[in-house]
Amino acid sequence: AQTVTQSQPEMSVQEAETVTLSCTYDTSENNYYLFWYKQPPSRQMILVIRQEAYKQQNATENRFSVNFQKAAKSFSLKISDSQLGDTAMYFCAFRSTGANSKLTFGKGITLSVRP
Amino acid sequence: DVKVTQSSRYLVKRTGEKVFLECVQDMDHENMFWYRQDPGLGLRLIYFSYDVKMKEKGDIPEGYSVSREKKERFSLILESASTNQTSMYLCASSLWWDEQYFGPGTRLTVT
Repeated sequence: AQTVTQSQPEMSVQEAETVTLSCTYDTSENNYYLFWYKQPPSRQMILVIRQEAYKQQNATENRFSVNFQKAAKSFSLKISDSQLGDTAMYFCAFRSTGANSKLTFGKGITLSVRP
Repeated sequence: DVKVTQSSRYLVKRTGEKVFLECVQDMDHENMFWYRQDPGLGLRLIYFSYDVKMKEKGDIPEGYSVSREKKERFSLILESASTNQTSMYLCASSLWWDEQYFGPGTRLTVT
């Protein structure tokens, strides 16, 4: 079974600075998908970014980018130019490519952006 | 935009009551999911469904059942609510096994 580990429960960053959220996972599969989801306070969870394991290039979405290290099974999220609206819980998630495969989530990290 | 709605944002029930949590999505997604979210535990999958009348157990199905009579609606049922089922419940849907879209959540308190 796959596991996803987010070892930092909380982080804080000054507005406009850069922060990196860590995630590691364990799998014996070669092809899979990785995701970062964001859950703002009292608001719906939304997808931030996704990475396909067979793609070597790191995914980017505006201020959000990932550092995907397949051999190390590491998938960190970098948020550049942090904004107050980035304050949220962030969840790392894994999904294999098999039929009917499920998302496995990490325990999440609470990010606070200070003004 | 995909919309996933849940019947209640907050719910308070008594121990032993039968509880229904409803989820509706408007994008004709095949897959629907029920999670519970607890501090320090992240999201844990209770049940999911990949088609009408189809259901599969997730990681923590004990004490729960589900119903999917129509493609757009997926219900979570607590047959006899207990205090350890106090939690945030999140519904999600997806097209095949792509990105999951989440509802706003139902915070259930069982007293």
